[in-house]
Amino acid sequence: GAGVSQSPSNKVTEKGKDVELRCDPISGHTALYWYRQSLGQGLEFLIYFQGNSAPDKSGLPSDRFSAERTGGSVSTLTIQRTQQEDSAVYLCASSLTSGGAGAGELFFGEGSRLTVL
Amino acid sequence: DAKTTQPTSMDCAEGRAANLPCNHSTISGNEYVYWYRQIHSQGPQYIIHGLKNNETNEMASLIITEDRKSSTLILPHATLRDTAVYYCIVRVAVAAGNKLTFGGGTRVLVKP
Repeated sequence: GAGVSQSPSNKVTEKGKDVELRCDPISGHTALYWYRQSLGQGLEFLIYFQGNSAPDKSGLPSDRFSAERTGGSVSTLTIQRTQQEDSAVYLCASSLTSGGAGAGELFFGEGSRLTVL
Repeated sequence: DAKTTQPTSMDCAEGRAANLPCNHSTISGNEYVYWYRQIHSQGPQYIIHGLKNNETNEMASLIITEDRKSSTLILPHATLRDTAVYYCIVRVAVAAGNKLTFGGGTRVLVKP
């Protein structure tokens, strides 16, 4: 596709369940980011992937959160044993490169809205 | 990355130019200024970026002061669809792994 694709667009789950959120970045983009945005709040960085380098996991809020990126393309964010405070919009972004001025030009998906009951 | 300061909110009349200020007084010589916006219920959208020269594209113009301690994003003819939260971000561009850190941004309301 032409843009970053995320699925599902909406997910309602019960507290304690595991969820997986998927991101398909723009073809050829080497860098991939996950952010989350709670209602009425700003964007919170979660994790960053660049090629075969070790991901920057510095933003993951707890060990219940994990992410992987297979084959340098599709990424999955997994939240285990979900809590109500995990409710948020989870946004994925990709960029063509990780260095240089163009690395700051991120293309965002529409997000996956997670609601934990 | 250097911290930025933006007004919390501002109103703008439809059809008029919207001038959005951003202070980044601690910006380093190798940090770029990026602007993004987020329309309600959508993901953020890249607008423009610059280092020290003024920049213009189809969406906006970016004016950076000579000392680079502040900048202004200009939407030349604001429309109702420009209502959004606008984020000013400074970021080192040369190193890998530099994530964009979004602050609170400016909530811009374009009024008819």
